[in-house]
Amino acid sequence: DIQVTQSPSSLSASVGDRVTITCQASRDIKTYLNWYQQKPGQAPKLLIYDASNLQTGVPSRFSGSGSGTDFTFTISSLQVEDIATYYCQQYDGDLLYTFGQGTVLEIK
Amino acid sequence: EVQLVESGGGLVQPGGSLRLSCAASGFTFSDHWMSWVRQAPGKGLEWVADVKGDGSSQYYMKSVEGRFTISRDNAKNSLYLQMNSLRAEDTAVYYCARDHKYSGGWHFDYWGQGTLVTVSS
Repeated sequence: DIQVTQSPSSLSASVGDRVTITCQASRDIKTYLNWYQQKPGQAPKLLIYDASNLQTGVPSRFSGSGSGTDFTFTISSLQVEDIATYYCQQYDGDLLYTFGQGTVLEIK
Repeated sequence: EVQLVESGGGLVQPGGSLRLSCAASGFTFSDHWMSWVRQAPGKGLEWVADVKGDGSSQYYMKSVEGRFTISRDNAKNSLYLQMNSLRAEDTAVYYCARDHKYSGGWHFDYWGQGTLVTVSS
């Protein structure tokens, strides 16, 4: 099975900061990497699919990049409403899915 | 508007059974693979199982294979998860999610609000 390593596990940043989260897959997953946001007490919400595609309705300050084994998720200018836990999720091509461990994002 | 509404969670003893349901609306249900994803208290997300649009294929995570069964009734726009031989480690919020294929990859584009399953004596 493909493993996904997400880092950091927690992050504290100020409003307006650029925030970056990374995910590394244990083998090549092409661009089959997605990013979700989960606020406390809520269901996850899809932000980025296929590594770099912004889901409809998601603000443009969110972006993703990468291919192969290394992927990056970026918030260009952190807003208060972005406080949440973020997860990457990979699809390994064998009809199985794995989530990263999550990154808890807090305001400094 | 796409809506997914789970029900059926509750408290069950170890070794017991529970059946979760997910009522779907706002899209052509039979056109989509559907998944169950769970989240243990204070922990991360874990994909559990999914089922093809016509119900002909199912896939499971290893730790639930043989104990859980995913199914659907397209006439009722409903997804199910039959959970048998439940263990304490199955305690989690269970989410129903719609699978979506883009290029060669898959993601979960809509999620329900979740239903809590607690396995405890």
